[in-house]
Amino acid sequence: EAQLVESGGGLVQPGGSLRLSCAASGLTFSNYWMTWVRQAPGKGLEWVSYILSTGTSDFYADSVRGRFTITRDNAKNLLHLQMNSLRAEDTAVYYCATDRGPYGSSPNSGAFDIWGQGTLVTVSS
Amino acid sequence: DIQMTQSPSSVSASIGDRVTITCRASQGINSWLAWYQQKPGKAPKLLIYAASSLQSGVPSKFSGSKSGTEFTLTISGLQPEDSATYYCQQAESFPYTFGQGTKLEIK
Repeated sequence: EAQLVESGGGLVQPGGSLRLSCAASGLTFSNYWMTWVRQAPGKGLEWVSYILSTGTSDFYADSVRGRFTITRDNAKNLLHLQMNSLRAEDTAVYYCATDRGPYGSSPNSGAFDIWGQGTLVTVSS
Repeated sequence: DIQMTQSPSSVSASIGDRVTITCRASQGINSWLAWYQQKPGKAPKLLIYAASSLQSGVPSKFSGSKSGTEFTLTISGLQPEDSATYYCQQAESFPYTFGQGTKLEIK
């Protein structure tokens, strides 16, 4: 069974850094484009970042561009999100998820079908 | 950035009813739209992709449609387990964006 497990969340002071990880199992990780989505307490979903299966291209929400970096290690089936210069508004549950794969002539569908359980990041002094 | 305007923000319906949730894109997104269901404390679950394609394992009571830049999620034969928050998400271009969510209550 395919599974994603996030780790690395916790309490960090404003301006600090944190690195989230997402461990994949039960799927051929290197085939999947991957994403991070977050949800602030009591709020809706916010897309954060996206990386191609090869790791050669990445994309970011305006709110995190220049502060967050998404990377992957296909040999270890790991996805990471390096978060720097953290702000109170970055407080959220962070989910990793897989893009469900090709649709029509496109290599991806932009829809996320396998999700982790989430890891909570709290930015507070 | 493409804005997704979802309505209503909340809806209450009875067991057996049918409900419709709408998402309007601020510009054309072709059929690059997904719908998710999220229950409290849980990760979202993909219901529909490419505007109208049913994700594997999802009951056929869920359906999606498109008319121009307006997208609709229809849930028929409501059951208590359908109580959740539903989100749309565009995948036409980065940054991807979600709608604000619709909370469905089953009376």
